[in-house]
Amino acid sequence: DADVTQTPRNRITKTGKRIMLECSQTKGHDRMYWYRQDPGLGLRLIYYSFDVKDINKGEISDGYSVSRQAQAKFSLSLESAIPNQTALYFCATSDPAQTGGSYNEQFFGPGTRLTVL
Amino acid sequence: SQQGEEDPQALSIQEGENATMNCSYKTSINNLQWYRQNSGRGLVHLILIRSNEREKHSGRLRVTLDTSKKSSSLLITASRAADTASYFCATDAQGGKLIFGQGTELSVKP
Repeated sequence: DADVTQTPRNRITKTGKRIMLECSQTKGHDRMYWYRQDPGLGLRLIYYSFDVKDINKGEISDGYSVSRQAQAKFSLSLESAIPNQTALYFCATSDPAQTGGSYNEQFFGPGTRLTVL
Repeated sequence: SQQGEEDPQALSIQEGENATMNCSYKTSINNLQWYRQNSGRGLVHLILIRSNEREKHSGRLRVTLDTSKKSSSLLITASRAADTASYFCATDAQGGKLIFGQGTELSVKP
């Protein structure tokens, strides 16, 4: 979905390096999410934010941090990358007020493929 | 831990056949959603069914929900090669978070 963009699309890094993944959206949505996807495990929630001043841990937040710089921007950082953080990372947005009441349909970015050597 | 479990993990059918995927979950939900993912790409929302609905249709898609059994099914009728993708159920239980299942990988052979 061109309305949710992620940079970089691919990144190879070494153990111990700090990495930042960025997400931007032009949908005007308040809610933003970071997920990681591993083969056979579906998507797991890392962090989520319901507005600029709101940050919440998800299912697997250890080893990650986030920053919500503006309504449109939500960044995910790996302070010291390790090989088991090798995965496909997705950003998503939602805004129940825009999509018909309380229903939380999410819109996904194209993903960032991260490899930690 | 993940809310949803999907069955089968992989499904291979011929074009024109119907494909059925099942999703089971553990806790009460507000709604259940189905998403599609083409290989290596972001997920795309397909259909949402609310907890007080039992069946919903959208084009060739039919979703059912049985809250007593905590299960849902997605039926794709008259499948096409372009339907080849992974399909995920996601439950919206509390606090605006979605919990995704592990997905069903569908292959439709021409």
